[in-house]
Parts: sequence; structure tokens; C-alpha cells
Amino acid sequence: SYELTQPPSVSVSPGQTARITCSGDALPKKYAYWYQQKSGQAPVLVIYEDSKRPSGIPERFSGSSSGTMATLTISGAQVEDEADYYCYSTDSSGWRFGGGTKLTVL
Amino acid sequence: QVQLQESGPGLVKPSGTLSLTCAVSGGSISSSNWWSWVRQPPGKGLEWIGEIYHSGSTNYNPSLKSRVTISVDKSKNQFSLKLSSVTAADTAVYYCAKLTAPKVYWGQGTLVTVSS
Repeated sequence: SYELTQPPSVSVSPGQTARITCSGDALPKKYAYWYQQKSGQAPVLVIYEDSKRPSGIPERFSGSSSGTMATLTISGAQVEDEADYYCYSTDSSGWRFGGGTKLTVL
Repeated sequence: QVQLQESGPGLVKPSGTLSLTCAVSGGSISSSNWWSWVRQPPGKGLEWIGEIYHSGSTNYNPSLKSRVTISVDKSKNQFSLKLSSVTAADTAVYYCAKLTAPKVYWGQGTLVTVSS
């Protein structure tokens, strides 16, 4: 079955750039979406269609995709960005979430 | 502003059927959107369960397809999830959601525990 692979954890200091990757065989043909989930809350969409930012999402969040890898970049990460991040995409058999990446900012 | 609200039993017995309903307010379920169910076991990641269009067309996660039914009731502006033959592994927070970007909406989630 189709899988989206993310690193389990990423750690940065405040103000540094955090990069979270998502690998999937269908990503060259399908968009990647990125969700942020803080403890006890529903997920929030931070990037859609590889690189678009929904209204209200800070400019420090950006996305890119090349080949079989999509990347979420947080430029100048803030303490409040500490959360779990999930990529989300599709193939012919339906939608999938990646396993999630815990971002620590300290 | 679309709002989604899950409802249903918080406790289901093993081998039973989990049934949840998602009420949609602030918008019509007949709009051009897919309506989804997503779950999250305690301390684990998100899992897409499936989706339905207002016409009744559905797509399901292949790993759950044999046990899942998603239906829509346009007269009540709601959609529903049924998951049969549940085990403890189906214990999770279940979310209903509209995942069509950029206007994405999630319910608050409801914890369903499978236990005797």
C-alpha cells in the first residue's frame, strides 16, 4: 500500500530554520499538503498544493516539492511552532497521512 | 464559516459496530466538497478513513474498506460513519472534516473506546 514517510522528530533552536521532509512515490504527480497539530487540538492546514499558504498562516511557513520528496520549511521557527506535523497526499487508492514529525523548538 | 460536530457513543463493545454522525452547519453538504472521516489512536498519528460526496460516491482506505461504510443524509445536512467488527485497535479520536483546500474544516473530534 502507498506510504508517506516522515522523520519521527526534528529539533531546532528558536530562530533557526526547520525542515521536515515527506517521501512518497506518487509525489511527482500528486500535491502534498501539510498539517500542524498541537496537543489536544484538531489539525490545522499550513500548506496546500505543495507550496500555497492558507490565509492566516504566518509567512515563515513554506513548502516545496521535488521528485518523490515534499518539504515543509519553517524559517525562523518560534517556540509556538512546536507541534506534530503531518504530510497528506493521495494516490490511486485514496488519501494518506504521513506518520508525523514531532518538531521541538528549544 | 462551516462547522462540523461529531456525535455518537463513546464506548463500543468488541466485535460490535462503531457508529458516528457528523452534523454540518454554516454550509450545505450538497456543496461541491468531499466530506471525510479521520481517526487518531491515543498517542499515535492521523489515519484517513474515507470520504463521501453529496451524490453518495465514496472512497475508502484500502486497509479499512471491508469494515467501513460512509453515508450522507442531505435532508439533515449530515454524514455518517459505520465501522464494523471493531477491536481495541479501533480505539481512537474520530474526526469528521472537510479537507478540500484551502478552506479546510475539522470537527473537534470524539473519543471512541472499544472495550467490554
